[in-house]
Amino acid sequence: GAVVSQHPSWVICKSGTSVKIECRSLDFQATTMFWYRQFPKQSLMLMATSNEGSKATYEQGVEKDKFLINHASLTLSTLTVTSAHPEDSSFYICSARDILVRETQYFGPGTRLLVL
Amino acid sequence: GESVGLHLPTLSVQEGDNSIINCAYSNSASDYFIWYKQESGKGPQFIIDIRSNMDKRQGQRVTVLLNKTVKHLSLQIAATQPGDSAVYFCAENPSGAGSYQLTFGKGTKLSVIP
Repeated sequence: GAVVSQHPSWVICKSGTSVKIECRSLDFQATTMFWYRQFPKQSLMLMATSNEGSKATYEQGVEKDKFLINHASLTLSTLTVTSAHPEDSSFYICSARDILVRETQYFGPGTRLLVL
Repeated sequence: GESVGLHLPTLSVQEGDNSIINCAYSNSASDYFIWYKQESGKGPQFIIDIRSNMDKRQGQRVTVLLNKTVKHLSLQIAATQPGDSAVYFCAENPSGAGSYQLTFGKGTKLSVIP
Protein backbone atom coordinates (compact mmCIF):
# COMPACT_ATOMS: atom_id res chain seq x y z
CA GLY A 1 0.00 0.00 0.00
CA ALA A 2 0.85 3.74 0.02
CA VAL A 3 2.29 3.88 -3.49
CA VAL A 4 3.01 7.21 -5.15
CA SER A 5 3.92 7.45 -8.80
CA GLN A 6 5.51 10.25 -10.79
CA HIS A 7 5.58 10.82 -14.51
CA PRO A 8 7.83 11.28 -16.33
CA SER A 9 10.78 9.75 -14.51
CA TRP A 10 13.16 11.90 -16.48
CA VAL A 11 12.89 14.67 -19.03
CA ILE A 12 15.29 16.65 -21.17
CA CYS A 13 14.02 19.89 -22.63
CA LYS A 14 15.25 23.03 -24.33
CA SER A 15 15.56 26.29 -22.46
CA GLY A 16 12.34 28.28 -22.59
CA THR A 17 9.96 25.36 -22.78
CA SER A 18 7.53 24.28 -20.07
CA VAL A 19 7.54 20.88 -18.43
CA LYS A 20 4.69 19.22 -16.56
CA ILE A 21 5.30 16.59 -13.89
CA GLU A 22 2.46 14.43 -12.56
CA CYS A 23 2.23 12.97 -9.08
CA ARG A 24 -0.37 10.32 -8.30
CA SER A 25 -1.32 8.45 -5.16
CA LEU A 26 -2.25 5.02 -6.47
CA ASP A 27 -3.94 3.28 -3.57
CA PHE A 28 -4.95 6.02 -1.17
CA GLN A 29 -6.50 9.45 -1.14
CA ALA A 30 -4.29 12.44 -0.51
CA THR A 31 -5.78 15.80 0.41
CA THR A 32 -2.26 17.15 0.68
CA MET A 33 0.70 16.62 -1.59
CA PHE A 34 4.12 18.18 -1.33
CA TRP A 35 6.68 19.10 -3.96
CA TYR A 36 10.39 18.97 -3.18
CA ARG A 37 13.53 19.75 -5.04
CA GLN A 38 16.81 17.99 -4.43
CA PHE A 39 20.30 18.84 -5.67
CA PRO A 40 23.06 16.21 -5.74
CA LYS A 41 24.31 15.18 -2.29
CA GLN A 42 21.85 17.48 -0.57
CA SER A 43 18.70 17.04 1.44
CA LEU A 44 15.17 17.61 0.20
CA MET A 45 14.02 21.21 -0.03
CA LEU A 46 10.28 21.78 0.25
CA MET A 47 9.00 23.94 -2.59
CA ALA A 48 5.27 23.98 -1.98
CA THR A 49 2.33 22.33 -0.31
CA SER A 50 -0.51 21.37 -2.59
CA ASN A 51 -4.02 21.04 -1.18
CA GLU A 52 -6.84 19.44 -3.14
CA GLY A 53 -9.28 22.04 -4.40
CA SER A 54 -7.35 25.08 -3.23
CA LYS A 55 -4.28 27.11 -4.09
CA ALA A 56 -0.86 25.79 -3.29
CA THR A 57 1.23 27.29 -0.52
CA TYR A 58 4.75 28.14 -1.65
CA GLU A 59 7.86 28.27 0.50
CA GLN A 60 9.83 31.47 0.75
CA GLY A 61 11.97 32.05 -2.31
CA VAL A 62 9.97 29.77 -4.61
CA GLU A 63 8.35 31.62 -7.48
CA LYS A 64 4.70 30.60 -7.80
CA ASP A 65 4.50 31.87 -11.39
CA LYS A 66 7.52 29.77 -12.28
CA PHE A 67 6.38 26.58 -10.61
CA LEU A 68 2.66 26.13 -11.21
CA ILE A 69 0.92 23.58 -9.04
CA ASN A 70 -2.51 22.11 -9.57
CA HIS A 71 -4.16 19.59 -7.25
CA ALA A 72 -7.38 18.82 -9.07
CA SER A 73 -8.31 15.56 -7.38
CA LEU A 74 -7.56 13.52 -4.28
CA THR A 75 -5.08 11.41 -6.22
CA LEU A 76 -3.36 13.82 -8.61
CA SER A 77 -1.16 16.87 -8.32
CA THR A 78 0.85 18.41 -11.14
CA LEU A 79 3.90 20.66 -11.13
CA THR A 80 4.60 22.71 -14.24
CA VAL A 81 8.00 24.32 -14.59
CA THR A 82 7.32 27.25 -16.89
CA SER A 83 9.94 28.69 -19.24
CA ALA A 84 12.54 26.32 -17.90
CA HIS A 85 16.18 27.38 -17.74
CA PRO A 86 19.35 25.36 -17.05
CA GLU A 87 19.33 26.43 -13.39
CA ASP A 88 15.97 24.63 -13.03
CA SER A 89 17.70 21.33 -13.74
CA SER A 90 17.22 19.22 -10.65
CA PHE A 91 15.56 16.15 -9.14
CA TYR A 92 11.93 16.91 -8.35
CA ILE A 93 10.14 14.66 -5.88
CA CYS A 94 6.54 14.68 -4.77
CA SER A 95 5.02 13.18 -1.68
CA ALA A 96 1.47 12.53 -0.61
CA ARG A 97 -0.12 12.49 2.81
CA ASP A 98 -2.67 9.78 3.41
CA ILE A 99 -5.93 11.22 4.78
CA LEU A 100 -6.02 8.47 7.37
CA VAL A 101 -2.38 8.44 8.46
CA ARG A 102 -1.96 12.11 9.33
CA GLU A 103 1.67 13.18 9.23
CA THR A 104 3.28 10.37 7.27
CA GLN A 105 4.34 11.33 3.76
CA TYR A 106 4.90 8.75 1.05
CA PHE A 107 7.23 9.72 -1.73
CA GLY A 108 7.20 9.24 -5.45
CA PRO A 109 10.26 7.96 -7.33
CA GLY A 110 11.26 11.43 -8.47
CA THR A 111 11.62 13.17 -11.83
CA ARG A 112 15.01 14.19 -13.10
CA LEU A 113 14.81 17.36 -15.20
CA LEU A 114 17.65 18.48 -17.44
CA VAL A 115 17.25 21.79 -19.22
CA LEU A 116 19.66 22.39 -22.07
CA GLY B 1 23.43 22.82 -9.52
CA GLU B 2 25.58 21.30 -6.86
CA SER B 3 26.76 23.45 -3.96
CA VAL B 4 30.48 23.51 -3.46
CA GLY B 5 31.74 22.09 -0.19
CA LEU B 6 28.67 20.16 0.86
CA HIS B 7 29.44 16.59 1.87
CA LEU B 8 27.13 14.05 3.36
CA PRO B 9 28.38 12.43 6.56
CA THR B 10 29.32 8.86 5.71
CA LEU B 11 29.11 5.74 7.82
CA SER B 12 30.92 2.64 6.64
CA VAL B 13 29.86 -0.65 8.19
CA GLN B 14 30.92 -4.24 7.68
CA GLU B 15 28.19 -6.52 6.40
CA GLY B 16 26.53 -8.29 9.31
CA ASP B 17 27.41 -5.60 11.87
CA ASN B 18 24.88 -3.26 13.41
CA SER B 19 24.59 0.33 12.17
CA ILE B 20 23.66 3.38 14.17
CA ILE B 21 22.72 6.56 12.35
CA ASN B 22 22.23 9.70 14.40
CA CYS B 23 20.20 12.84 13.90
CA ALA B 24 19.86 16.03 15.92
CA TYR B 25 16.58 17.81 15.45
CA SER B 26 15.97 21.47 16.02
CA ASN B 27 12.43 22.07 17.22
CA SER B 28 11.48 21.04 20.74
CA ALA B 29 7.80 21.34 19.71
CA SER B 30 8.11 18.58 17.09
CA ASP B 31 5.92 15.64 18.00
CA TYR B 32 6.42 13.25 15.12
CA PHE B 33 9.57 11.89 13.51
CA ILE B 34 10.27 9.69 10.52
CA TRP B 35 13.31 7.94 9.10
CA TYR B 36 13.57 7.64 5.33
CA LYS B 37 15.97 5.67 3.15
CA GLN B 38 16.92 7.06 -0.24
CA GLU B 39 18.77 5.00 -2.80
CA SER B 40 20.61 6.71 -5.62
CA GLY B 41 18.24 8.20 -8.19
CA LYS B 42 15.10 7.23 -6.28
CA GLY B 43 12.60 8.89 -3.98
CA PRO B 44 12.81 8.50 -0.19
CA GLN B 45 11.31 5.31 1.19
CA PHE B 46 9.55 5.26 4.57
CA ILE B 47 11.36 3.11 7.13
CA ILE B 48 9.92 3.78 10.55
CA ASP B 49 8.29 6.57 12.54
CA ILE B 50 7.90 7.52 16.18
CA ARG B 51 5.78 9.94 18.14
CA SER B 52 7.11 12.13 20.91
CA ASN B 53 5.23 10.22 23.59
CA MET B 54 7.51 7.26 22.94
CA ASP B 55 11.27 6.83 23.32
CA LYS B 56 11.72 3.63 21.36
CA ARG B 57 10.03 1.83 18.53
CA GLN B 58 11.04 -1.34 16.76
CA GLY B 59 10.42 -2.60 13.28
CA GLN B 60 11.88 -5.38 11.22
CA ARG B 61 15.65 -5.13 11.77
CA VAL B 62 15.32 -1.44 12.61
CA THR B 63 14.88 0.44 15.88
CA VAL B 64 14.34 4.16 16.35
CA LEU B 65 15.32 5.83 19.61
CA LEU B 66 14.13 9.27 20.62
CA ASN B 67 15.75 11.39 23.32
CA LYS B 68 13.67 14.52 23.72
CA THR B 69 15.91 15.94 26.43
CA VAL B 70 18.79 16.45 24.01
CA LYS B 71 16.66 16.50 20.84
CA HIS B 72 18.33 13.45 19.40
CA LEU B 73 17.03 10.70 17.18
CA SER B 74 18.82 7.55 16.13
CA LEU B 75 18.19 4.69 13.74
CA GLN B 76 19.66 1.31 14.49
CA ILE B 77 19.88 -1.29 11.76
CA ALA B 78 20.61 -4.83 12.87
CA ALA B 79 22.75 -7.22 10.79
CA THR B 80 23.40 -4.63 8.10
CA GLN B 81 23.18 -5.93 4.55
CA PRO B 82 24.55 -4.58 1.24
CA GLY B 83 21.00 -3.61 0.28
CA ASP B 84 20.96 -1.20 3.21
CA SER B 85 23.51 1.02 1.44
CA ALA B 86 21.76 4.33 0.87
CA VAL B 87 21.35 7.83 2.26
CA TYR B 88 19.24 7.99 5.40
CA PHE B 89 17.27 11.10 6.34
CA CYS B 90 15.50 11.90 9.55
CA ALA B 91 12.48 14.18 9.31
CA GLU B 92 10.46 16.01 11.95
CA ASN B 93 7.00 17.48 11.93
CA PRO B 94 7.74 20.84 13.51
CA SER B 95 4.29 22.33 13.65
CA GLY B 96 2.36 19.69 15.49
CA ALA B 97 -1.09 18.94 14.13
CA GLY B 98 -1.12 21.86 11.72
CA SER B 99 0.38 21.79 8.26
CA TYR B 100 1.88 18.28 8.40
CA GLN B 101 5.01 19.59 6.74
CA LEU B 102 8.22 17.74 7.38
CA THR B 103 11.64 19.26 7.93
CA PHE B 104 14.45 17.00 6.73
CA GLY B 105 17.89 16.58 8.20
CA LYS B 106 21.01 16.70 6.07
CA GLY B 107 21.25 12.95 5.60
CA THR B 108 23.85 10.28 6.31
CA LYS B 109 25.28 8.00 3.66
CA LEU B 110 25.56 4.40 4.78
CA SER B 111 28.07 2.25 2.92
CA VAL B 112 28.05 -1.47 3.64
CA ILE B 113 31.30 -3.29 3.07
CA PRO B 114 30.73 -6.85 1.85
